[in-house]
Amino acid sequence: DSGVTQTPKHLITATGQRVTLRCSPRSGDLSVYWYQQSLDQGLQFLIQYYNGEERAKGNILERFSAQQFPDLHSELNLSSLELGDSALYFCASSPLGRGAPNEQFFGPGTRLTVL
Amino acid sequence: GQQLNQSPQSMFIQEGEDVSMNCTSSSIFNTWLWYKQEPGEGPVLLIALYKAGELTSNGRLTAQFGITRKDSFLNISASIPSDVGIYFCAGHLSENAGNMLTFGGGTRLMVKP
Repeated sequence: DSGVTQTPKHLITATGQRVTLRCSPRSGDLSVYWYQQSLDQGLQFLIQYYNGEERAKGNILERFSAQQFPDLHSELNLSSLELGDSALYFCASSPLGRGAPNEQFFGPGTRLTVL
Repeated sequence: GQQLNQSPQSMFIQEGEDVSMNCTSSSIFNTWLWYKQEPGEGPVLLIALYKAGELTSNGRLTAQFGITRKDSFLNISASIPSDVGIYFCAGHLSENAGNMLTFGGGTRLMVKP
């Protein structure tokens, strides 16, 4: 158990809909990261928040947005969903926002299926 | 974006054999991490490397940070059935604003008892 929690574990929805994925980082970690993993693919970085502020942005679609709240939990919002958005979405956390050590610990993921 | 080339893509080996996999890039990384992912779960951190030339072990696993800072390898000795999974390398570029990791495509390891 990494200490990172994600809910829900599974999500099935229809095209055009909007969903929210939730993540709680390990106790004491200030950074939260979101990654997308499509079928049999590597992980693609989406976005990082550090202590409530956006720190880095990757290949995140404009239809996607995220935020980190004062209690450090984070939410990833996916809107106008398309079939191609079906994937595993992972949250990771680390103590720091930048610099070493930058080990990231991953949650169990949310499997999103768009029908 | 930056890419990590991980090889081999898959390996099917006999229990007890040693395994070697590697990652290469055209970019210089200041951190290399190795993760293992099992079906339905998130990646689990195995080894972290922070210095060029660093060689680190974790049980039967050994990883090295390449001297050029553009590559890393992971060795697993005397494989056992529970080693089955997908192994990912991940690297951090020093010029990145945050701590984002770039992941390789993964090596799927299958072990025959």
